Amino acid sequence: EAQVTQNPRYLITVTGKKLTVTCSQNMNHEYMSWYRQDPGLGLRQIYYSMNVEVTDKGDVPEGYKVSRKEKRNFPLILESPSPNQTSLYFCASSPFAPPSYEQYFGPGTRLTVT
Amino acid sequence: AQTVTQSQPEMSVQEAETVTLSCTYDTSESDYYLFWYKQPPSRQMILVIRQEAYKQQNATENRFSVNFQKAAKSFSLKISDSQLGDAAMYFCAYRGYGNKLVFGAGTILRVKS
Repeated sequence: EAQVTQNPRYLITVTGKKLTVTCSQNMNHEYMSWYRQDPGLGLRQIYYSMNVEVTDKGDVPEGYKVSRKEKRNFPLILESPSPNQTSLYFCASSPFAPPSYEQYFGPGTRLTVT
Repeated sequence: AQTVTQSQPEMSVQEAETVTLSCTYDTSESDYYLFWYKQPPSRQMILVIRQEAYKQQNATENRFSVNFQKAAKSFSLKISDSQLGDAAMYFCAYRGYGNKLVFGAGTILRVKS
């Protein structure tokens, strides 16, 4: 089954404790992206990757890191989480071109930073 | 930069009736794609319908159709014969040359029985 998986689905952590949210897709997609969803703001892009070893900042990259060492995986790293990073996070993937292709979303990760 | 605006934070519709959700966008690109996504309480993002900007014909998918007005930069979603399962958050989204999806703030749709 074609899918994007994220782990963990729920996470409660404390300020400053490094964490990683994993994302994996089994569709051989080149393009992968991370979004955060906040009430009244919709989804906003954090980082994206057009292929292995190619990553770039989205609209809200501060406080986040990513890596793309393998085509299927695109982890999101919070080196020192802060309460303003409490949010719902989505990973998504699609073929790189054309932009008409649907982006497939993971199930979401609910992160709470206290 | 592209922006997407959904001016209706919440909408209600009676079961079996028709409802229209509004979306406007701003861009200087000539070729792009527009999408409506549904997010039910499960939080899963589900693609409802897509529209290619170079196509004048409005997209339809069963009970879902769009009214795409390129000159006005408007992209509304019409849901006919509303069902209880249509209750969800709906997001309008834009995707252009950069591949990034730009989302609106969302509209919560409530369906009354």
